[in-house]
Amino acid sequence: EDQVTQSPEALRLQEGESSSLNCSYTVSGLRGLFWYRQDPGKGPEFLFTLYSAGEEKEKERLKATLTKKESFLHITAPKPEDSATYLCAVISGGYNKLIFGAGTRLAVHP
Amino acid sequence: DARVTQTPRHKVTEMGQEVTMRCQPILGHNTVFWYRQTMMQGLELLAYFRNRAPLDDSGMPKDRFSAEMPDATLATLKIQPSEPRDSAVYFCASALSQDADTQYFGPGTRLTVL
Repeated sequence: EDQVTQSPEALRLQEGESSSLNCSYTVSGLRGLFWYRQDPGKGPEFLFTLYSAGEEKEKERLKATLTKKESFLHITAPKPEDSATYLCAVISGGYNKLIFGAGTRLAVHP
Repeated sequence: DARVTQTPRHKVTEMGQEVTMRCQPILGHNTVFWYRQTMMQGLELLAYFRNRAPLDDSGMPKDRFSAEMPDATLATLKIQPSEPRDSAVYFCASALSQDADTQYFGPGTRLTVL
């Protein structure tokens, strides 16, 4: 069965303290891995799509990387406005069905 | 600024009542998804449509939930009768037709069934 596991469940950082979030996956055939950001009371906001091992994508202070078993979301010099829940999801097989991890709740304090 | 819209944003109802949630996908997107988010289960796919035809509704309780796309600009999710365990946030998402395309989410409908 396809599965996505995110760690840690929660992460508290000081402003400027860089760190990484992990997303490990077990799927029959990965067709895409997605990172979303979700703020309280809002829908998930798309960040990145990665399709193959070795691929990297960057956006402002965020950088996503992909291997054959996991993905990392690196946050460089975070700011309080980066506080949110970060969700990882995969698509495998013949469907467009996104399978989500439980998310990592990130809190960045000044 | 193209985005998915959902109505209502909040709904409080009593057990046994019918609930209808509506979604307008991004113009030009022909794949529409319904998800449910709870603290316990996280985000779960309920159903999805391509070109208005249902492709997968295996995540949906068939006895009380129904999903339709009356036209390309409107998707509906109906619960009849509603139960307290249906309390959750329901999200609609849309995507272009190609496989593994990015899904864009709406703001959600927060449903509370008393």
